[in-house]
Amino acid sequence: AQTVTQSQPEMSVQEAETVTLSCTYDTSESDYYLFWYKQPPSRQMILVIRQEAYKQQNATENRFSVNFQKAAKSFSLKISDSQLGDAAMYFCAYSGNNAGNMLTFGGGTRLMVKP
Amino acid sequence: NAGVMQNPRHLVRRRGQEARLRCSPMKGHSHVYWYRQLPEEGLKFMVYLQKENIIDESGMPKERFSAEFPKEGPSILRIQQVVRGDSAAYFCASSPQRATYEQYFGPGTRLTVT
Repeated sequence: AQTVTQSQPEMSVQEAETVTLSCTYDTSESDYYLFWYKQPPSRQMILVIRQEAYKQQNATENRFSVNFQKAAKSFSLKISDSQLGDAAMYFCAYSGNNAGNMLTFGGGTRLMVKP
Repeated sequence: NAGVMQNPRHLVRRRGQEARLRCSPMKGHSHVYWYRQLPEEGLKFMVYLQKENIIDESGMPKERFSAEFPKEGPSILRIQQVVRGDSAAYFCASSPQRATYEQYFGPGTRLTVT
């Protein structure tokens, strides 16, 4: 079974600074997808960024980028120029082609942004 | 195009009552997933349905929980004889096909069992 681990329960960052959230996963599949979701206090799950495992190039979405290390099974999220609105829970998630496409989530990292 | 809709947003039930949670997928989406989020935890997969079919229910407790997605109408997650441990946020996600990168989440239903 696939597992996703987020080892940082809480992180804080100064506004306008950069922060990196860590995620590791375990799988025996070769083809899969990885995601970062943001959950603000409203509890709505918002997709931040996704990465296809077969792509070597790291995904980027504006201020959000990932460092995908397939051999190490590591998938970290970097947030540049942090804004107050970035404060939220962040969840790393995995989806494999052979697993019915359901998402397996990590336990989450609470990000606080200091003004 | 309206997003995934869930109702009610908040539901309070006494122990032993039944809870019915509804999910209307995005227009054109025929695949629905249900996830449960316990306090201070990540989301856990419960069940995956297509219209009139349960594809994978490996994450759903065998007792008291059931799900359906009829040909017409919303998907329903039903919890019979609720207990305090069922208190959680229940999220529905929909996708247009069996795709691994297009799951759109609803706002969730927060169930409180008193």
